[in-house]
Formats: sequence, structure tokens, C-alpha cells
Amino acid sequence: DGGITQSPKYLFRKEGQNVTLSCEQNLNHDAMYWYRQDPGQGLRLIYYSQIVNDFQKGDIAEGYSVSREKKESFPLTVTSAQKNPTAFYLCASSNPPDPAPREQFFGPGTRLTVL
Amino acid sequence: DQQVKQNSPSLSVQEGRISILNCDYTNSMFDYFLWYKKYPAEGPTFLISISSIKDKNEDGRFTVFLNKSAKHLSLHIVPSQPGDSAVYFCAASEYGNKLVFGAGTILRVKS
Repeated sequence: DGGITQSPKYLFRKEGQNVTLSCEQNLNHDAMYWYRQDPGQGLRLIYYSQIVNDFQKGDIAEGYSVSREKKESFPLTVTSAQKNPTAFYLCASSNPPDPAPREQFFGPGTRLTVL
Repeated sequence: DQQVKQNSPSLSVQEGRISILNCDYTNSMFDYFLWYKKYPAEGPTFLISISSIKDKNEDGRFTVFLNKSAKHLSLHIVPSQPGDSAVYFCAASEYGNKLVFGAGTILRVKS
């Protein structure tokens, strides 16, 4: 049963603490993405990775870090430097464009709340 | 600077009628457009897409229209069903690049 899993579904963190959000895919996709959704706003790109051991900053990378050591996994760390971390975080994956960009497939999301 | 805009935050439609969701973009380099549907507390699911070489793409009850000169696309759902009630996101991409999403439109289909 192929898909993208994110854990946990809900996460609470105290101010000043780092927290890592998990994202795993078994779709054999090369590219993976992290987005953040806030009320009334679209999905904003945090980081993306087109291949293992390589990743690029998106539009709002400050206060976040990622790693891509395995094709299936793309964890996101929300650091204490992120000023407003409470949000809904979405992970996605896709194949490289061949020739047109292909759709991204999304996980169920993680709701992070900073107390 | 928002490159993809969905100017209607919400839309309410009677069951069985047509729903029309609109999207405008500013980047003339965008050549591929997608619509996603999202329920609360879930990830978006892909609905339909269109390449810039076309002006229409149809899939069952869903049709996307692209007007390149106006930098405008629209999603038509006909007939609308209560299960269509969700947030709809428009997204756009340059070739080989990441997606840029609009802010979304909440669709409510009343039975």
C-alpha cells in the first residue's frame, strides 16, 4: 500500500525546544518537499530535495533544517529560531518532470502547537 | 508578492449546480497548472491538471480551463455534490521546478 506517512499527527512543544517531524514515502519518488499551511494562506514551501544528500531552501526556510540521507525519508526539524512555529506541516513527494511537472503527493500532515 | 492568487476565499453552491473556482497568476513562465482538494486536518489530494499547450482538460465532473492571455484558469465542477465541500488550491509550476500555491477557496455545497 504505497503512500506518504507523517508522524505524529499532533505535536506539542514548549517554546525554546527543537522538534523533528517525520516524513516517509514508499512511492520510490526522487523528490520530497516540506510545506507549511497557516489559516487563510496557501501552502508555503520550506525546503525541498530532488535527490538523496541534496536539498534546497524554499520560500520560508529560516528556523528550519532538513536532511535527506535516504530516498524514503525527509525529516524536518523546527528549531527554536523559528519565530512562529505553530502551524500545519505537510510533506509531499513527486517524480522528476518527464517532460511535464508531475503532481506532488501529500502526506496527512502534522499539526504542531507551541505552548 | 503572490504569483498565484485565488481572490475568492469562499464559495457556496446548491447541490446539482455548477461550481466555478477561479485562479489568476502573474508569472508568464508558468507552464503547468494543478488543482488540489483538501479536507480539514488532511493532506491535499491531486484533482486535475493542465499544460499550457492546452486550454481545456476534462476528467469526469471536473474541467479546468486555461486562458493564457488573461493569465487565468478556472475549475468547473458539475454537478456539484455535498462531498465536494472542501478547500480547493490552485498551483502553478515552471518547467522542472517547484509548485507555487494559491491561498485556497473554501467550497460549500448545500444539499
